[in-house]
Amino acid sequence: TQLLEQSPQFLSIQEGENLTVYCNSSSVFSSLQWYRQEPGEGPVLLVTVVTGGEVKKLKRLTFQFGDARKDSSLHITAAQPGDTGLYLCAGARTGTASKLTFGTGTRLQVTL
Amino acid sequence: GAGVSQSPSNKVTEKGKDVELRCDPISGHTALYWYRQSLGQGLEFLIYFQGNSAPDKSGLPSDRFSAERTGGSVSTLTIQRTQQEDSAVYLCASSAQGAFLSYNEQFFGPGTRLTVL
Repeated sequence: TQLLEQSPQFLSIQEGENLTVYCNSSSVFSSLQWYRQEPGEGPVLLVTVVTGGEVKKLKRLTFQFGDARKDSSLHITAAQPGDTGLYLCAGARTGTASKLTFGTGTRLQVTL
Repeated sequence: GAGVSQSPSNKVTEKGKDVELRCDPISGHTALYWYRQSLGQGLEFLIYFQGNSAPDKSGLPSDRFSAERTGGSVSTLTIQRTQQEDSAVYLCASSAQGAFLSYNEQFFGPGTRLTVL
């Protein structure tokens, strides 16, 4: 059973466009992380959100944690080719802090 | 080294053979995790170590899979009698924090790509 569903699965856009990736669950998470993974490498942490309704910005990336802590979104403004990669959300559930449940992933390709 | 390292980077084996995958975590990180990733998909949790103990082995898919960690550092994931469905990228991550906080930043190695023929 996949606890975290991401949408869309694939996204191909041109440089300069905006996009939003969604991470949804029916479960409550104590915290949620977003990672980006490039081919042949392990995921790299972008951000951690821990409070319902929290919004964090990292340059052109905006992350939001849902009020009920069941969902999250990643918005990229003016996408660049360097944003290309696999974006993964990962949630930690109360009582299982040692284990992250990863989402299904969103593969983003940004072309010139 | 400065980051998490894994070896080998690629492993091709025949069905039925045993394989050992190695992970060297970041020095001083007490928590270590193994994940499996199939064909660019999300990560599947396998096992978590805090020091040399494994309080959470719930993700190991069968008794053919085992892992150990020695000296609070290096970890080895062993797959016995490999099957074709074991083919995947096996990722290791380490963290300075374990289960004591509700979130922790995990640093990943580059992974070992396992192909079972």
